[in-house]
Amino acid sequence: EAGVTQFPSHSVIEKGQTVTLRCDPISGHDNLYWYRRVMGKEIKFLLHFVKESKQDESGMPNNRFLAERTGGTYSTLKVQPAELEDSGVYFCASSQVWGTNTEAFFGQGTRLTVV
Amino acid sequence: LAKTTQPISMDSYEGQEVNITCSHNNIATNDYITWYQQFPSQGPRFIIQGYKTKVTNEVASLFIPADRKSSTLSLPRVSLSDTAVYYCLVGYNFNKFYFGSGTKLNVKP
Repeated sequence: EAGVTQFPSHSVIEKGQTVTLRCDPISGHDNLYWYRRVMGKEIKFLLHFVKESKQDESGMPNNRFLAERTGGTYSTLKVQPAELEDSGVYFCASSQVWGTNTEAFFGQGTRLTVV
Repeated sequence: LAKTTQPISMDSYEGQEVNITCSHNNIATNDYITWYQQFPSQGPRFIIQGYKTKVTNEVASLFIPADRKSSTLSLPRVSLSDTAVYYCLVGYNFNKFYFGSGTKLNVKP
């Protein structure tokens, strides 16, 4: 069974440009989560999808970030325009159910560098 | 959002048992305790989860006292490949877990 896949693994862009990160969850997993670790800080929650609906987006830092999950399959996270402080590693995770005894599976992350 | 406190780092030698303790004083009644492992350049990976008492699987044991305000992850006979960061997470649902700084375990030969 394929795991959670993230594209690209690494992206270097200039300040002000747009970047789109993609996450392909494990097939059949309705729940998809985005987390990120900005440089030197802790891994922090961004948002949670249940199928195509945003269940919780309280962790999104500002309106430069837009997440979508059309059709309830893969998800994209767009940063527009990118700022220097957006540099970090963006993780995607998915789980089959949402609640107790939930094991979430993480992708390898996308390392975003804004210069 | 239950915050956790763990040691920043720990050193061990191959073959030893390692115990990592996590403090979670404000754990809620419905919260579970979950531990994840992260290697460099990889996403976190689930190790074990429990609610109370003791849970054991093929890779680790989790000890939770009656008051549930702390928990201890036990790794038996560690090897070099167990060098990683270990996160203690407390919550009911997976979303919005507080990862904290984790514990960086360094296993020496």
